[in-house]
Amino acid sequence: KQEVTQIPAALSVPEGENLVLNCSFTDSAIYNLQWFRQDPGKGLTSLLLIQSSQREQTSGRLNASLDKSSGRSTLYIAASQPGDSATYLCAVSNSGNTPLVFGKGTRLSVIA
Amino acid sequence: DAGVIQSPRHEVTEMGQEVTLRCKPISGHDYLFWYRQTMMRGLELLIYFNNNVPIDDSGMPEDRFSAKMPNASFSTLKIQPSEPRDSAVYFCASSSSGQGGVKLFFGSGTQLSVL
Repeated sequence: KQEVTQIPAALSVPEGENLVLNCSFTDSAIYNLQWFRQDPGKGLTSLLLIQSSQREQTSGRLNASLDKSSGRSTLYIAASQPGDSATYLCAVSNSGNTPLVFGKGTRLSVIA
Repeated sequence: DAGVIQSPRHEVTEMGQEVTLRCKPISGHDYLFWYRQTMMRGLELLIYFNNNVPIDDSGMPEDRFSAKMPNASFSTLKIQPSEPRDSAVYFCASSSSGQGGVKLFFGSGTQLSVL
C-alpha cells in the first residue's frame, strides 16, 4: 500500500528565503506525482505535476523534482513571499486512473 | 467555469441526525472523488465514480456512509446516523479521464461538525 510522508509538518521562514519541502513515498512504481497548495478554509489547488519519466517541473518560482528510485520529491520555492503561506501537499498516483494518495502536508509560514 | 461546487459550506448537526453533502463537478469531467480531511489522518479517499458509476468505495468508513451519483452533474454523500467522529472537512473533486495524467480540481469543502 502506497504511503506518502511529508517532512517537516510545519515550517516558518523569513520573507525572501529560498526553501525546500520534502516528500517521500514507499512504492517507487508511481505513474506521476503532484504538488498541491491549500489555503486555510479552502480546497486544494494543483501546482505542479511530474510524470514518472520526468525529473522536474517548473512554474514561476516553484520547481519540483522527482527521484523515483529513491522514492523522493522536493518542492523548491525561490524568494519566498508572505503570499506563499499555505499548506503544501504531495500526492502520488500508481497508474493513470487510480486515485491519488496524499501526504499530510507541510504548513508553511513566510514572515514579512 | 465555476469550478467544483459543494454545499453546504458548513454543517452543524447533532449525533444521530442524517447529513447530506452535495457536489456539482466541473462540466465534462468524468471522474468524481469524495475525500475526507482531518488533522490526524490527513486527506483520505472515501469513494470515487467514473461516468457516474462507483468504482471503489473501500474507503467508506462503514455502512453509515453512502454516496450516489445520479447524473454527470450531481453527487451526494450521506451519513446516517452521524456520529461525533465524523466531524471533518469533506471535499469533492473532479477530473477528466482519471487523476493520473491530468490535474484534479477540488471544491471548497464542507466543514461538518457533529455534536
